[in-house]
Amino acid sequence: GAVVSQHPSRVICKSGTSVKIECRSLDFQATTMFWYRQFPKQSLMLMATSNEGSKATYEQGVEKDKFLINHASLTLSTLTVTSAHPEDSSFYICSAKPGTGLYNSPLHFGNGTRLTVT
Amino acid sequence: GESVGLHLPTLSVQEGDNSIINCAYSNSASDYFIWYKQESGKGPQFIIDIRSNMDKRQGQRVTVLLNKTVKHLSLQIAATQPGDSAVYFCAETSPARNQAGTALIFGKGTTLSVSS
Repeated sequence: GAVVSQHPSRVICKSGTSVKIECRSLDFQATTMFWYRQFPKQSLMLMATSNEGSKATYEQGVEKDKFLINHASLTLSTLTVTSAHPEDSSFYICSAKPGTGLYNSPLHFGNGTRLTVT
Repeated sequence: GESVGLHLPTLSVQEGDNSIINCAYSNSASDYFIWYKQESGKGPQFIIDIRSNMDKRQGQRVTVLLNKTVKHLSLQIAATQPGDSAVYFCAETSPARNQAGTALIFGKGTTLSVSS
């Protein structure tokens, strides 16, 4: 149980275009999902908290107009990288946990999306 | 077995050895901790967690130790196998971070390499 699916797994786009990444909780409902970013050989950095039916909460230094998050339902959150540039190339990973979130329960992660901007 | 006193980015062990991976955290308010395993090109996979009212928790071949006094967490893997080769991250959170669902903050990873 508690499977998080992310799509696509890899995407290559040209500079200036936008890319949408989907994150779905397959067997549970998630009021809250989280988006992380990971550069090669580095740790996961929290980008934003995605809340179903309300605005996302962004971490300091993350541009909300560049990384658009939409949590349209209890099983789907999307991250759109707008006007992508080569420096946006990274591994984007979403996560979620079942229920309305006892904070002390583990997050389940998708398998990530490798974004390459040329 | 191999022991790491401070955080090191890499740890190399022989198959069958015990491995110890260390992690230091800075937020004294953190009260929930998780170890994740990440294989190349994949998302993190849950290994074991521990709450701050405990100092030790055991799973299958893995043990997590928590020392709140020095804000230190360790993961012990018994009889390490080649399939254990991966990057290991500790993660922490606190109730103050947010209410509804709490994001985890990840520490620096340790790359475990197991040779047979």
